Amino acid sequence: KAGVTQTPRYLIKTRGQQVTLSCSPISGHRSVSWYQQTPGQGLQFLFEYFSETQRNKGNFPGRFSGRQFSNSRSEMNVSTLELGDSALYLCASSDTGNQPQHFGDGTRLSIL
Amino acid sequence: GDSVTQMEGPVTLSEEAFLTINCTYTATGYPSLFWYVQYPGEGLQLLLKATKADDKGSNKGFEATYRKETTSFHLEKGSVQVSDSAVYFCALSDRGNYGGSQGNLIFGKGTKLSVKP
Repeated sequence: KAGVTQTPRYLIKTRGQQVTLSCSPISGHRSVSWYQQTPGQGLQFLFEYFSETQRNKGNFPGRFSGRQFSNSRSEMNVSTLELGDSALYLCASSDTGNQPQHFGDGTRLSIL
Repeated sequence: GDSVTQMEGPVTLSEEAFLTINCTYTATGYPSLFWYVQYPGEGLQLLLKATKADDKGSNKGFEATYRKETTSFHLEKGSVQVSDSAVYFCALSDRGNYGGSQGNLIFGKGTKLSVKP
């Protein structure tokens, strides 16, 4: 069974640009969660989608948004990028959200 | 709000030494508790979990017991190997009183473990 796939693995952007990250969950998993990992703040929850609906949201500004498609694939968008958005963005999937989450290898976003 | 506190690293041990990484939590509801491990350049892998008080999670020689009275979930291993070198994260998922999802994990800051041969 293929794991959680995140693309791209690495991304370099400049301030003010926007970016879209993609996550394909494990087949059959309907819950997709996104996390931001930075050296200073550690791992922080961004949002969770289940059956195309946002079910939970962390404490991030509105520049961070996401969506989920009918095949459970999810995208995360960050607009008006700031230097502080440089981070490893991790996606995790689970069956219903009530099972342990399985993580992808992440997308490392660098803002210049 | 809910939170997880784990011992700061780095922790450096010799091969075959005993490992303990302390983790305590604060939660308003009935949390499930997890340990995840992250190897360099990779995402997180679930190491073990416990869903209710007194449950013991175990995997690959690692163990942790859910202690509600001390709000703790300490990770232990009797004999570490060089291949155990990684960053370990304690996490909780609190469904509160409403049976909500576990889709939002709250993590500790992570503990970096280095095992020397």
